[in-house]
Amino acid sequence: GQQVMQIPQYQHVQEGEDFTTYCNSSTTLSNIQWYKQRPGGHPVFLIQLVKSGEVKKQKRLTFQFGEAKKNSSLHITATQTTDVGTYFCAGRESGGSNYKLTFGKGTLLTVNP
Amino acid sequence: KAGVTQTPRYLIKTRGQQVTLSCSPISGHRSVSWYQQTPGQGLQFLFEYFSETQRNKGNFPGRFSGRQFSNSRSEMNVSTLELGDSALYLCASSFGGLETQYFGPGTRLLVL
Repeated sequence: GQQVMQIPQYQHVQEGEDFTTYCNSSTTLSNIQWYKQRPGGHPVFLIQLVKSGEVKKQKRLTFQFGEAKKNSSLHITATQTTDVGTYFCAGRESGGSNYKLTFGKGTLLTVNP
Repeated sequence: KAGVTQTPRYLIKTRGQQVTLSCSPISGHRSVSWYQQTPGQGLQFLFEYFSETQRNKGNFPGRFSGRQFSNSRSEMNVSTLELGDSALYLCASSFGGLETQYFGPGTRLLVL
């Protein structure tokens, strides 16, 4: 079945440093979503990418969807302590009606002030 | 608009027992998905319901089951609990199933 791999598993940065997490799917995706889960909280939707090569920005966050629609990345510029949490990518396999969202295992980001 | 609610928030059970968890989606949302979250396996898809019909199912044993009611509220049941079923169970709702998933706070289940 479809697998979504995410690296790194953990990332510790100094406040102000940049951060990137990468997501790779074993199959072509129809779209990919990104979520953030704060410690003790639940996943909160950040963004959805649909088009091949798509790039979207939200303030300091930049999301990319690969040309082959099998990989994606999230880049945070100049991290802040409020960025702490686990970032998950989640993809839907392309083809047909697929309501199953497969999550990567997430990247836990910690920020040292 | 009220968010997704889940009850109970915490539950302690013993091996062999069964448990029922409840999820009330955001008003107007007809799709409800269930996930199991553990430190080792991450977020794993259990099943998705829309208009009382299960449309997708993850790779979990038959001990895990669910249903959805006409008001879109959903329940999941785990029978013959095992220690490995200890996890955070999250439900998420969306309008049709393919859009943004809005997660509830989860039910933390501990099996002793």
